[in-house]
Amino acid sequence: EDQVTQSPEALRLQEGESSSLNCSYTVSGLRGLFWYRQDPGKGPEFLFTLYSAGEEKEKERLKATLTKKESFLHITAPKPEDSATYLCAVRQETSGSRLTFGEGTQLTVNP
Amino acid sequence: GAVVSQHPSRVICKSGTSVKIECRSLDFQATTMFWYRQFPKKSLMLMATSNEGSKATYEQGVEKDKFLINHASLTLSTLTVTSAHPEDSSFYICSAIPGPNTGELFFGEGSRLTVL
Repeated sequence: EDQVTQSPEALRLQEGESSSLNCSYTVSGLRGLFWYRQDPGKGPEFLFTLYSAGEEKEKERLKATLTKKESFLHITAPKPEDSATYLCAVRQETSGSRLTFGEGTQLTVNP
Repeated sequence: GAVVSQHPSRVICKSGTSVKIECRSLDFQATTMFWYRQFPKKSLMLMATSNEGSKATYEQGVEKDKFLINHASLTLSTLTVTSAHPEDSSFYICSAIPGPNTGELFFGEGSRLTVL
């Protein structure tokens, strides 16, 4: 069974304090690992898709990386507006378009 | 990114009534749409997959007669919660994918259902 585990569950940072969020996965035949950002009371907002080990993608202060077992979302010099829940999801080769989500990491960046 | 619109964003209803939630893809045609349910501080739980013009595929444990899904066109899917009860209160989110089996899902804004 596909498993996606995110850590930590919650993370508090000071503004400017860089850190990383982890997403560990157990999937047979990975066909994409996805990162989303979700604000309270809103639907998830797409951030990145990674398809193969070694791949990296960046957007502003965020950088996502992928290995064969896990993905990291690196946040460089975060700002309070980066506070949100970050969700990781995987697509498996026999699951069609379906995504399996992790529990998310709730990030709070204090000014 | 692609835009998915969901309506209503909030709905309050009495126990025993039915509620319909609409999900529209505004700038692309979505052959497949997904309906998720999310409990407070929890992740998204897939309820069903709907394909345009065919019956929805429900996840194990999701009652087909309770959660009716219709995907009548390439831009519209609806979720009807029938005979709603307080335990159906939740945050329901739809998502759509522009192409078959590839690419990212785009999500609607979600609908908060409260059943009194």
